[in-house]
Amino acid sequence: NAGVMQNPRHLVRRRGQEARLRCSPMKGHSHVYWYRQLPEEGLKFMVYLQKENIIDESGMPKERFSAEFPKEGPSILRIQQVVRGDSAAYFCASSPQTGGSGQPQHFGDGTRLSIL
Amino acid sequence: ILNVEQSPQSLHVQEGDSTNFTCSFPSSNFYALHWYRWETAKSPEALFVMTLNGDEKKKGRISATLNTKEGYSYLYIKGSQPEDSATYLCALSQGAQKLVFGQGTRLAINP
Repeated sequence: NAGVMQNPRHLVRRRGQEARLRCSPMKGHSHVYWYRQLPEEGLKFMVYLQKENIIDESGMPKERFSAEFPKEGPSILRIQQVVRGDSAAYFCASSPQTGGSGQPQHFGDGTRLSIL
Repeated sequence: ILNVEQSPQSLHVQEGDSTNFTCSFPSSNFYALHWYRWETAKSPEALFVMTLNGDEKKKGRISATLNTKEGYSYLYIKGSQPEDSATYLCALSQGAQKLVFGQGTRLAINP
């Protein structure tokens, strides 16, 4: 039973380029969450999606960042015109239903994004 | 701003000793409290989800308690082993959706 799959594990981009991070949730999970860990900081919530819907994007920067979870295929976190401050580890988690009902969120191994 | 505090930040324990650490959170609007173990270069691994005041959960040598009225949870490790070395995260479920994480307690077990 495959866990949450994220790719790539490491991504290097130059300033101004676009970064696309992919997340395939666990089988049977329809809820996806993205978290970011900046250097020397803890995990911070970015966005919560269900299939074809953004439910809560209160943690997403207002500009350059977008997320989607299409009907078919993985969830994508897209960062346009990357800057050095976007260098971080980006983690995806999934759950079969919302965490407040007693279900844990299952995490992927993360994508380490480095901006040159 | 919701604040989840963990203490201590780091801890060194001799192999075989028992240890515990704390997670503090605002007691209002509580939904659930999650504990995770996070080893370097791996994904956070879910340990417990607790929802009710007075909850106690156990997994092998690791257990956790919850006090929602005073806003704290304890994680206990009995008879520490080298494989217990990791960062232990607690997170508060806010609005039954996103998790608000503490900074973690980094545990190192000395053989």
